Order: sequence, then C-alpha cells, then structure tokens
Amino acid sequence: GAGVSQSPRYKVTKRGQDVALRCDPISGHVSLYWYRQALGQGPEFLTYFNYEAQQDKSGLPNDRFSAERPEGSISTLTIQRTEQRDSAMYRCASSLPGQGRSGGPADTQYFGPGTRLTVL
Amino acid sequence: AQKITQTQPGMFVQEKEAVTLDCTYDTSDPSYGLFWYKQPSSGEMIFLIYQGSYDQQNATEGRYSLNFQKARKSANLVISASQLGDSAMYFCAMSPPWDNQGGKLIFGQGTELSVKP
Repeated sequence: GAGVSQSPRYKVTKRGQDVALRCDPISGHVSLYWYRQALGQGPEFLTYFNYEAQQDKSGLPNDRFSAERPEGSISTLTIQRTEQRDSAMYRCASSLPGQGRSGGPADTQYFGPGTRLTVL
Repeated sequence: AQKITQTQPGMFVQEKEAVTLDCTYDTSDPSYGLFWYKQPSSGEMIFLIYQGSYDQQNATEGRYSLNFQKARKSANLVISASQLGDSAMYFCAMSPPWDNQGGKLIFGQGTELSVKP
C-alpha cells in the first residue's frame, strides 16, 4: 500500500514569507507526527495528532509554527514569517493507535520522505 | 526526561562482517519502546526493529537484532553479514510511556555506518 507522502519535496522561500507543508499519512493510521531534522542530527519532535485532535504541541519552537489536521487525515504544518533558522528537513510520520501497552509495536511510526525547506 | 545517546559518530565495517551500533537511554519510566531507523543517503527514514521494555527476548528482524540490556539501559543494534547497501546513518529512538494518546519519539544523534568492500 501507499506510504506516507509529503509535499512539496523541496521548498525554497524568501525570509518573511509563509509556507505550508503537507502530509498525507498511511490510510487508517490514527496518529500523525511532525518532526524537524537538522543536517547531521536526529529528528526532533514538533507536534502530533490523534485523529483531528492536536495532542501535544510542546515541540513547536514558537508561535510562528502551527499545524492542523481538520478531518483527521491530511495535515498541514504552517510556518509564518519564515526565518533562515527555519531551514531544515521537515518530516511527517504516522502510526496506528496504541494498544494500551507502552511503546508497543503498533506504535511504530512510519516516516514520509520529508520536505526540505530552505529560507533565503 | 528521556534521553538517547549514541556515542559513535562514525563506524566502518568490512563487507560480510557483523557490526554493533551502540545506543544507551535514560528514563525513569518502567515502560517504553525502543526503535532503530536507517537513513540512507537518499534521506528516507526506514524502520528496522522494535523492542518493548517488557519483552523478555531480544528482538530480531532478518539480519538485524537488538541486544537489549535493560539493567544497563542499552539497546545496541547488531547487523550481521554487512552488505554495501547497509551504508547509512542509523538512529536509535525511544517512545515514552504510552497513555493511549500516542507518543513522540526521542532520537539519538545517529551513527554513520560505512561498509567497505
């Protein structure tokens, strides 16, 4: 079946512009996660949803970052007034709902190809 | 707070030999999950293997096995019979206790593995 898809794959924008990054999770996956990955480092958590509800946004760096998942499927991460420090790979992942046990195999997150954002 | 540490920035291994990538973690929670992901130069993140904190046996998936030592808080990845296609960045990750609401992954810094022909 189809995996997680993200668009655009590459985005170059000028400082001060708004950008919207899209994620389409694996069909049937309830949980959707956003991460940011700097070059040479591991991904860092931004926010996640169960269905359409945003459960945790503690990783969003500031109020220029927001995310939504209005119908419980596709999600959009929006960055307003972009700055050069926002340049990174933005990754989306999805997983099935948990089964009541911590970190069970059903919680495995499957990642999309990412969106490489460059702010000039 | 949970933390993952990968102390080997880079590793070399000869083709067909086995290699161990180290991962230690820090958590005060009794229940958690441990994951390994592979990131080749193409940039994708590929799930390799999972270990639950309550699992009695070490996880295995084909040529991948996880050497889980709970008391030492280590979850090393063992790749047997290395292949050239194994050259990639490898990330260890941990999920915090599940509360039926989902769980973010906490990643280590990664280990760059190079397989020599």
